Amino acid sequence: EPEVTQTPSHQVTQMGQEVILRCVPISNHLYFYWYRQILGQKVEFLVSFYNNEISEKSEIFDDQFSVERPDGSNFTLKIRSTKLEDSAMYFCASSASRTGSYGYTFGSGTRLTVV
Amino acid sequence: AQKVTQAQTEISVVEKEDVTLDCVYETRDTTYYLFWYKQPPSGELVFLIRRNSFDEQNEISGRYSWNFQKSTSSFNFTITASQVVDSAVYFCALRGETSGSRLTFGEGTQLTVNP
Repeated sequence: EPEVTQTPSHQVTQMGQEVILRCVPISNHLYFYWYRQILGQKVEFLVSFYNNEISEKSEIFDDQFSVERPDGSNFTLKIRSTKLEDSAMYFCASSASRTGSYGYTFGSGTRLTVV
Repeated sequence: AQKVTQAQTEISVVEKEDVTLDCVYETRDTTYYLFWYKQPPSGELVFLIRRNSFDEQNEISGRYSWNFQKSTSSFNFTITASQVVDSAVYFCALRGETSGSRLTFGEGTQLTVNP
């Protein structure tokens, strides 16, 4: 079964450093997403991406965040200057349609720890 | 605005018991999609089911069943004859037609099935 692949599974970084989280969405999906889950809390939407541009972003997705699809397969989330409160599980997801009528497939997540 | 409420923070049952996880949602959209995801201790999000607002038929998949009631804005999830492997956090999520492509998640219910 097709899956969304995220790397690394766990990343530890120092406060103020830049991190790039990587994702390979399902190959025939056109819509890509990042979500965040702070430990023990609910999953929160960060951003959606379609046709090489951001289609929607939440209030969490401020100027320190950026997304990119650098080639035909990868989808990345960059956090420019990490803060302690950025520590969370970050999930990448993809879907075949904007409406999610075929569902959203999530990756296994990257656990980011900022120290 | 979209909102999903999972009032049960934690549920603990003994193996083979039936258990129902509640989900109540709020949306002003007439077209919307509801989802359930399972998050086992390993952390990934596993898709379980998607339901659109026009399909109120209940669904059964093995030991899992879902009861969608528009009149009460609920989309409850029942596990029959629970097993230890069912232990996980379960999230209900909503996407409304006017909410772009973002999923709004509930707070999750931690289900523990004891042997």
